[in-house]
Amino acid sequence: DAMVIQNPRYQVTQFGKPVTLSCSQTLNHNVMYWYQQKSSQAPKLLFHYYDKDFNNEADTPDNFQSRRPNTSFCFLDIRSPGLGDAAMYLCATSRVAGEQFFGPGTRLTVL
Amino acid sequence: AQTVTQSQPEMSVQEAETVTLSCTYDTSENNYYLFWYKQPPSRQMILVIRQEAYKQQNATENRFSVNFQKAAKSFSLKISDSQLGDTAMYFCAFRDSGTYKYIFGTGTRLKVLA
Repeated sequence: DAMVIQNPRYQVTQFGKPVTLSCSQTLNHNVMYWYQQKSSQAPKLLFHYYDKDFNNEADTPDNFQSRRPNTSFCFLDIRSPGLGDAAMYLCATSRVAGEQFFGPGTRLTVL
Repeated sequence: AQTVTQSQPEMSVQEAETVTLSCTYDTSENNYYLFWYKQPPSRQMILVIRQEAYKQQNATENRFSVNFQKAAKSFSLKISDSQLGDTAMYFCAFRDSGTYKYIFGTGTRLKVLA
């Protein structure tokens, strides 16, 4: 089945220690998104790509970076995680039109 | 700026009953998409139903249907014959056809009671 895959599902890191979350898709969608979701809140968009065209949200901290080396993969790098970065990170894809398809998320814990 | 408002933070419904979740939005655009997403506890966000603004007919997916009122900018979700598995957070979302960004409401936590 075509899908959005996120690895790892759970990530524990130490305060200030860089971490990378990965997302892959078999849907061949042009657009990929990274969201941060804290408990019982709506997802908050961090950035999105249309193909290789990167779009950063104005309020996304500089601590968050992203890479999309090809259509299928997208990475979220958190350079120096703080306690406030503990959250669920959702990857999603979409075609040019229509709905988003979400991955299962990576739950990040910062110690 | 486009906004999506869900005014019901929490709702509950008895199993087999019908419940309606409210959503209003604000936009000056004429062409857009509206969605309801379901996020069960600790599980993946999945699409429940979608509506294209140019379609006057309300979308229906099995037990799920919407009441789309374009002039009133209202997009409510009706769940018929509620099941325990419908217990989840429900998010209303908006996408302008000219962008790739989705605007989410704050969510409604629905609990189906046995």
